[in-house]
Amino acid sequence: SQTIHQWPATLVQPVGSPLSLECTVEGTSNPNLYWYRQAAGRGLQLLFYSVGIGQISSEVPQNLSASRPQDRQFILSSKKLLLSDSGFYLCAWSVHKAEAFFGQGTRLTVV
Amino acid sequence: DQQVKQNSPSLSVQEGRISILNCDYTNSMFDYFLWYKKYPAEGPTFLISISSIKDKNEDGRFTVFLNKSAKHLSLHIVPSQPGDSAVYFCAASGIGNKLVFGAGTILRVKS
Repeated sequence: SQTIHQWPATLVQPVGSPLSLECTVEGTSNPNLYWYRQAAGRGLQLLFYSVGIGQISSEVPQNLSASRPQDRQFILSSKKLLLSDSGFYLCAWSVHKAEAFFGQGTRLTVV
Repeated sequence: DQQVKQNSPSLSVQEGRISILNCDYTNSMFDYFLWYKKYPAEGPTFLISISSIKDKNEDGRFTVFLNKSAKHLSLHIVPSQPGDSAVYFCAASGIGNKLVFGAGTILRVKS
């Protein structure tokens, strides 16, 4: 069966520090991969999505970047965090448009 | 540009009655629509989806209706249970496997 791993679950980082969140999927090949952010009390904002290795589509200009170094690995990064980067970050995967599955999320607090 | 809209921030329903959650979209190129349930500090859970070539899909207590001419879909939960209390998100998938979400509706089922 397919599983998605996202870590860490919680993270507290100072302003100006770097960020690296990792997401890996098991049990499937060539998935579509997504990064979302949910700010407090808000909806799910699509940040990046990828349909293959090295193929990244960016949805919102911001302080973040994404990379897909391997087929089932998706990484969200920042060189210097801002206070406004705080939020709940979610990774998701799909192989068919009728379904997409999420990880458990990372709560990032920038202080 | 919010392509998927959930205009009702919250909905309160009595246990055993029907819950109807609504969603509107603007992009006629969307070809799949998905519904998710989310608890705080967790990733969204996939519930049900519908292809744009259909007008109804049913799975247990959950039924999704699609009205393409009105660019409107709804999720019906019958009968509603207290455990259904959560935030419900509507999502749409289109060209390039991009998956976008609405802002969510908080459902409260009262016992």
